[in-house]
Amino acid sequence: DAKTTQPPSMDCAEGRAANLPCNHSTISGNEYVYWYRQIHSQGPQYIIHGLKNNETNEMASLIITEDRKSSTLILPHATLRDTAVYYCIVRVNSGGYQKVTFGTGTKLQVIP
Amino acid sequence: GAVVSQHPSRVICKSGTSVKIECRSLDFQATTMFWYRQFPKQSLMLMATSNEGSKATYEQGVEKDKFLINHASLTLSTLTVTSAHPEDSSFYICSAPSAYNEQFFGPGTRLTVL
Repeated sequence: DAKTTQPPSMDCAEGRAANLPCNHSTISGNEYVYWYRQIHSQGPQYIIHGLKNNETNEMASLIITEDRKSSTLILPHATLRDTAVYYCIVRVNSGGYQKVTFGTGTKLQVIP
Repeated sequence: GAVVSQHPSRVICKSGTSVKIECRSLDFQATTMFWYRQFPKQSLMLMATSNEGSKATYEQGVEKDKFLINHASLTLSTLTVTSAHPEDSSFYICSAPSAYNEQFFGPGTRLTVL
């Protein structure tokens, strides 16, 4: 799996958009970008994933650059409950063996 | 979405005893499950891959005789920490992939070894 680089921490004001960047300059053509988050003392939660097109779901939007070397997770209206560590992971989206390797992630603090 | 449960959610044990942690996929079958360990203020570290009907695959540096894994059925994997020591105190998390390639994580088990 390709290595990712994320800022260790970020602050965001409640109600504003939180934009979390991720660099994955060595990503391969068949690797997807996945985002998970971990609220304190809980298991990680899947947020969103994509290959090359931008994606949106009820939780967030994922913007992937055209060269696929970086991406941004956007939480459109951050709430205090979005305070968590956010992990950006790139991996092959193959069936069967689905090992997920976590980096250090970004600790997002949403401020009232 | 799919749900993965873990039991117990927290356990305290004495040094030298063994502790079993269960991981269940509640509404889907999982031939593969993964076990992670997380120390305070650190990221999740993959320990091993649990395979239904065959031996688990351990990551480098993880003692297979200390962390026994049994994937007894398509919905249950167990991790037994044998002869636990205080340095084994950690947050243990399991995960299972669904048929749609999403990875679902359990809520974690907090192990404290006295």
